Amino acid sequence: DVVLTQSPLSLPVTLGQSASISCRSSQSLVHSDGNTYLHWFQQRPGQSPRRLIYKVSNGDSGVPDRFSGSGSGTDFTLKISRVEAEDVGVYYCMQGTHWPRTFGQGTKVEIK
Amino acid sequence: EVQLVQSGVEVKKPGESLKISCEGSGYSFPNFWIAWVRQMPGKGLEWMGIIYPGNSDTRYSPSFQGQVTISVDKSIRTAYLQWSSLKVSDTAMYYCARGYGGLDFWGQGTQVTVSS
Repeated sequence: DVVLTQSPLSLPVTLGQSASISCRSSQSLVHSDGNTYLHWFQQRPGQSPRRLIYKVSNGDSGVPDRFSGSGSGTDFTLKISRVEAEDVGVYYCMQGTHWPRTFGQGTKVEIK
Repeated sequence: EVQLVQSGVEVKKPGESLKISCEGSGYSFPNFWIAWVRQMPGKGLEWMGIIYPGNSDTRYSPSFQGQVTISVDKSIRTAYLQWSSLKVSDTAMYYCARGYGGLDFWGQGTQVTVSS
């Protein structure tokens, strides 16, 4: 299975500051069709996960543009600019290139 | 509006069977894969398997192969996750979500508790 390693696992941030989460894959996530199926999800406390970013850098509908994704191959980053209180939760990367699909272990974002 | 609505809370005993459901609406149900994801208490997300309602093509993560069965009834726009003999370690929140390479819409989750 493809292993996705997120860092850090815990991320205390100050309101209004930026935050970055890394997701590194044990294999290249470039699919034979040329796409890279690396996605980012947010799970707020007590809620279902919600997709924020698909295929590395595409924002889902309704997602604030404070969230951005970047990367290629095996190294990917989610950046939250100007963190707000509603951004508290756990963030997961997920790969949809290889079988079985796998998630990173999650990064908990909290306010300092 | 795309919606995935899951069945309610389940409390079962070890060895019992269980089938939970996920009903899709607001989109062409046969044409989108449905995945199941497990979240054990206080833990992260685990991808279990996926089914294509159009032809019931099903794929499992090796970690869950033989432990659960994923099925679908496209006539009522519903996907299922079932166990033939539950274990205490099956206690978790189970989510269904739409998608093949990515999961764009999620259900509200079904809490399954297995305890003697």
